[in-house]
Amino acid sequence: KQEVTQIPAALSVPEGENLVLNCSFTDSAIYNLQWFRQDPGKGLTSLLLIQSSQREQTSGRLNASLDKSSGRSTLYIAASQPGDSATYLCAVRTGGFKTIFGAGTRLFVKA
Amino acid sequence: EPEVTQTPSHQVTQMGQEVILRCVPISNHLYFYWYRQILGQKVEFLVSFYNNEISEKSEIFDDQFSVERPDGSNFTLKIRSTKLEDSAMYFCASRGGGSGNQPQHFGDGTRLSIL
Repeated sequence: KQEVTQIPAALSVPEGENLVLNCSFTDSAIYNLQWFRQDPGKGLTSLLLIQSSQREQTSGRLNASLDKSSGRSTLYIAASQPGDSATYLCAVRTGGFKTIFGAGTRLFVKA
Repeated sequence: EPEVTQTPSHQVTQMGQEVILRCVPISNHLYFYWYRQILGQKVEFLVSFYNNEISEKSEIFDDQFSVERPDGSNFTLKIRSTKLEDSAMYFCASRGGGSGNQPQHFGDGTRLSIL
């Protein structure tokens, strides 16, 4: 059974710092991995999607990597800003249509 | 940018009543999903829907639940005989067709409170 774990559960950093969020999954047979951002009381905003055949994806200050064989993904945020404060969720899509989410990392960027 | 819209934003219902949550997916998307998030817990997959039928469902999605795409635009989740533990945020998502690696786009959710 696929399980997704995110570390750390919470993170507080000063503005301008570069940071890394970690995601691990137990079954390497995934179709893709998606990183989301969730603001309090809101839905999920898709940040990056990495296909199982890819190693990384970049969008602006965000870079996500995938090491399928070791069951790990990282989300790198460069030059963090207070507006980056949110919960970041990692989700893996299994071979079918099911998507399994991690519990998220709550990020707080201090001005 | 097109978005997934969900109504209502908050639904309060008495235990044992039926509730219908509504979603309007992005217009050219072909795959539709429902998820729930109990307060303080993970987002959980409920069901996926494609070509007018359920393509996959989780163990949570029992006979109490049903989904329907009654017309070309709406996608609904019906919960029969609601229980207290059905209180949660329910998210609808949709995805484009073609490559299976299109991202899922989520609505802002419906907060369901069962009294």
